[in-house]
Amino acid sequence: ETGVTQTPRHLVMGMTNKKSLKCEQHLGHNAMYWYKQSAKKPLELMFVYSLEERVENNSVPSRFSPECPNSSHLFLHLHTLQPEDSALYLCASSPRRSSRDTEAFFGQGTRLTVV
Amino acid sequence: DQQVKQNSPSLSVQEGRISILNCDYTNSMFDYFLWYKKYPAEGPTFLISISSIKDKNEDGRFTVFLNKSAKHLSLHIVPSQPGDSAVYFCAASDGTSYGKLTFGQGTILTVHP
Repeated sequence: ETGVTQTPRHLVMGMTNKKSLKCEQHLGHNAMYWYKQSAKKPLELMFVYSLEERVENNSVPSRFSPECPNSSHLFLHLHTLQPEDSALYLCASSPRRSSRDTEAFFGQGTRLTVV
Repeated sequence: DQQVKQNSPSLSVQEGRISILNCDYTNSMFDYFLWYKKYPAEGPTFLISISSIKDKNEDGRFTVFLNKSAKHLSLHIVPSQPGDSAVYFCAASDGTSYGKLTFGQGTILTVHP
């Protein structure tokens, strides 16, 4: 248990559906992240939020829409996804520090399948 | 263009022996490196890290070595145990304020009893 909780753990959705992934952390961290892990690929950073403000969008298609209502919660809203979007979506958090110690704590991930 | 590479997709080691996992990077701005371990159906968990001002960091059975001139780091596990069997990811950061990490593809370590 890393202190970062993701729900749901598994999600199957059709291409016309709208769904949301949820992430929650109570570690007192100020930065939260969405990563994507596709089969046989490295983890890819999607979005970074620092103090509830989006500071980076790593060229992610608009069918993925993040939301960070407060420093403990992060959502990823999904709509009109494609089958190639099927992947493991991981949320992470870290203290917002200016120097090193950029260790991130990950949730268990949501395994998403788009049919 | 992959900035962090783990060229060995898998590694098999006998229990009690040393496991050596390798990682190469291309971005000279990276100055903080981490290793994560991942079991199936779980998220990655932090294992050990090293700053670019050091060339070695040790934590119990785990030691990370950094060769800045070669842009290479390695993770040594000794002695290896069956419970170490997992996917190991190398990650790097360029020291921005937001902890953004660039990951390698991972190496599957299998430790045989």
